[in-house]
Amino acid sequence: AQSVTQLGSHVSVSEGALVLLRCNYSSSVPPYLFWYVQYPNQGLQLLLKYTTGATLVKGINGFEAEFKKSETSFHLTKPSAHMSDAAEYFCAVSGPDDKIIFGKGTRLHILP
Amino acid sequence: KAGVTQTPRYLIKTRGQQVTLSCSPISGHRSVSWYQQTPGQGLQFLFEYFSETQRNKGNFPGRFSGRQFSNSRSEMNVSTLELGDSALYLCASSQSSGANVLTFGAGSRLTVL
Repeated sequence: AQSVTQLGSHVSVSEGALVLLRCNYSSSVPPYLFWYVQYPNQGLQLLLKYTTGATLVKGINGFEAEFKKSETSFHLTKPSAHMSDAAEYFCAVSGPDDKIIFGKGTRLHILP
Repeated sequence: KAGVTQTPRYLIKTRGQQVTLSCSPISGHRSVSWYQQTPGQGLQFLFEYFSETQRNKGNFPGRFSGRQFSNSRSEMNVSTLELGDSALYLCASSQSSGANVLTFGAGSRLTVL
């Protein structure tokens, strides 16, 4: 069965600094991978997804993620953090049974 | 077009009661998935319905059930509520299963006293 591990339940970065949120997955087949963001009192919104093809995926709001099969990772990055990036971020994987399984989330704090 | 609509947004129940939550997917979306979100546990998959059939089920007790109607609207029911059922219940719709993007509703926040 597929699973997702997000390293760090809370991450703090200074405004303007690099954002790096880590995600490792387990899947018995080539996975589909997703990053979602959740702002307070809202549902989740898709940031980006990887299905096949180019391993570097660009998403909304300047975020991108790179699929690394050898490391079973799909880390999310943004070169320069903005105050509006403060939210909770979820990595997710879809496996052979088509279930989409989410990690436990990482809350991103932006320091002024 | 309208997004995913969940009702009610907030509700308070007492232990032993039952609750029904409703989800109206985006028009044209035939798949509806339900997740339970709690602090520290993230999103846990409850079940997925596609064309009125349950396609997948998570590891929740039988007190949690769901159904989907011919217009793709879905309901989930929790019977004999326990304190630990307090959570945000999220519904998400997609055109089909698997690699398709999930569009989430704002959730129904259930508090069990």
